[in-house]
Amino acid sequence: GEDVEQSLFLSVREGDSSVINCTYTDSSSTYLYWYKQEPGAGLQLLTYIFSNMDMKQDQRLTVLLNKKDKHLSLRIADTQTGDSAIYFCAERGGGADGLTFGKGTHLIIQP
Amino acid sequence: SAVISQKPSRDICQRGTSLTIQCQVDSQVTMMFWYRQQPGQSLTLIATANQGSEATYESGFVIDKFPISRPNLTFSTLTVSNMSPEDSSIYLCSLIISTEAFFGQGTRLTVV
Repeated sequence: GEDVEQSLFLSVREGDSSVINCTYTDSSSTYLYWYKQEPGAGLQLLTYIFSNMDMKQDQRLTVLLNKKDKHLSLRIADTQTGDSAIYFCAERGGGADGLTFGKGTHLIIQP
Repeated sequence: SAVISQKPSRDICQRGTSLTIQCQVDSQVTMMFWYRQQPGQSLTLIATANQGSEATYESGFVIDKFPISRPNLTFSTLTVSNMSPEDSSIYLCSLIISTEAFFGQGTRLTVV
């Protein structure tokens, strides 16, 4: 079946860039998403990318997609304490498909 | 985007009882989904609830345990039946508009 893998934890210093990585197995993935979940809160859609794109930038966020290696990354520039959260990678094939999620990466910000 | 209202936001239920979770959307959407997020875990798709057809359940989930209604394009319910402590989770409804997937705030269910 489909599988999405992420590292469980990432620790960065405030002001540095954070890079959260994700790999997936489904070659028919059409859409790839990044969500942010703060403690006790719901899922916030940060950004998404189509499988025919290599990169997408939105303010401090940069998504890179290597479709050949099925590797997705989210870069957060100038990481702030408010970026502390769990970041979920998810993929979707399209049509009536739901999303398949990774286990989430806990981003820890050091002062 | 869409505004998704999910009720209740949390509940504590006795084992053996059932809870119905409601999801209301401020616009008409064809595709709605229900997910479960067990404590400390990721989200797992329970079923797809498209208006006008029976819900489609993922492996490991059955209609008798998680009956779903989808009476119109703005509303859906998920019932967690005959609950046990293992059903303690956050349950989330989701919808897709064009290519973006949005989620409700979730229902935090504790079964005692």
